[in-house]
Order: sequence, then structure tokens, then C-alpha cells
Amino acid sequence: QVQLQESGPGLVKPSETLSLTCTVSGGSISDFSLSWIRQTPGKGLEWIAFISDNGRTNYSPSLKSRLTTSVDTSKNQVSLKLSSVTAADTAVYYCARDPQGYSGGWRIYYFDYWGQGTLVTVSP
Amino acid sequence: SYVLTQPPSVSVAPGKTARITCGGTNIGIKSVHWYQQMPGQAPVLVVYDDSDRPSGIPERFSGSNSGNTATLTISRVEAGDEADYYCQVWESSSDQYVFGTGTRVTVL
Repeated sequence: QVQLQESGPGLVKPSETLSLTCTVSGGSISDFSLSWIRQTPGKGLEWIAFISDNGRTNYSPSLKSRLTTSVDTSKNQVSLKLSSVTAADTAVYYCARDPQGYSGGWRIYYFDYWGQGTLVTVSP
Repeated sequence: SYVLTQPPSVSVAPGKTARITCGGTNIGIKSVHWYQQMPGQAPVLVVYDDSDRPSGIPERFSGSNSGNTATLTISRVEAGDEADYYCQVWESSSDQYVFGTGTRVTVL
């Protein structure tokens, strides 16, 4: 059973960098893609970053200039860094696994396992 | 960017059928996935690839997709189905995952 666990500071000051880690257990991080998804209080889900099994990354255009994600295969971890945060970045941050499934020969992209999420508050 | 539109809320009586729509331009040619999110919890996949169910998801949850609308159908609704539901697709032109706006299902 694959499990994902987010970790990181719950409070970050404005203009500083938010740093989170997603630790994967029950499977090798090299076998699938991982994404970061956030949810501001009372709002919907927002996909923000993706890292594939071969290290390819992609980011939400609205956050691209401030985001970095990377993988540490030795620790089975993925990290996320969001720079120059403001109150608008206050959210629950989730990591989620894309199992790299196929349908009719076509790659399909969805999330079958999610971490429990971690609330990050941006405040002085 | 690709936009997925869902009704903000759907109300249904216990034992009846709830239908949650997800609208997007030519969404019928995309693979649509649905997630259930209980209050304070992480989303859970309930339907993937338009109509497939992960193991452990009741047969009461089904999906369809055609034209400009995908639909998640919950049959014989139970009080425990009360949650937020989100559709999701992959936008290949920009290599992005896109979520719908979300629908809150209320069991009367």
C-alpha cells in the first residue's frame, strides 16, 4: 500500500520561501510521477507542480516563476519550494501520485494516492 | 487555459440519484477523473478514465463522458456520500492537470 506524507513548517513569514517534503512509502518514487496540489481555505483544488519519474518538471503558469520541485530517490522524497510567499499562498498543500496509467494505448493522468495534506499559513 | 465548470451544489434525498456535471470544451475526447473530498480530509479517487472505479469504490458511483459534459452519477445516495466532488482532466497542450470548480453534494 503506497502512502504519501507531507511535512514542513506550518507557518511561513511573508516574502520568505515555503519548503515542503513529500515522503513516499510502500513503493519506489522512481516508478511514478508526483504532483503538488493546494487548496486555499474553503476553496477548490489547484494543481501547482509535477515531477515525472525521469525528473521532468512542469508548473502552474501562475506560479511558475516562484516554484521549484525536485526528487531525492535515495530518500524516496520529493520537495517543493515556493518563494516570495504572500497571504494568498496560505493553503493546505497535498502531494499526490500519478500511477502513469494507460487507456487504449494513451497515457492517462490522474491521482490514485494522496497525502493527508499539510496546512501552511503565511503570516508575520 | 482549459476550464472545467461544475455546479456549486447538488441536493439529493437519501436513496435517490445524484448527477454531478463537469463541463468543458470537447471534454468527450479527454479522459475524466472524479474525486470525493470529505470535510477536513484529502481527496479520494472515485472514478477514473471516465467510468472506471478503483477497487473499494462502490458500484453506486459511475461516470460517463460525451460531447461537452462529463457526469458523475451516485445511485442510491447515502448520508455518507455528502462531500465535495471534483472532476479533473489532463490538458495536453500545456502539460497541466486541471481540476473542476467543485460541487458540494448535500443529502437532504
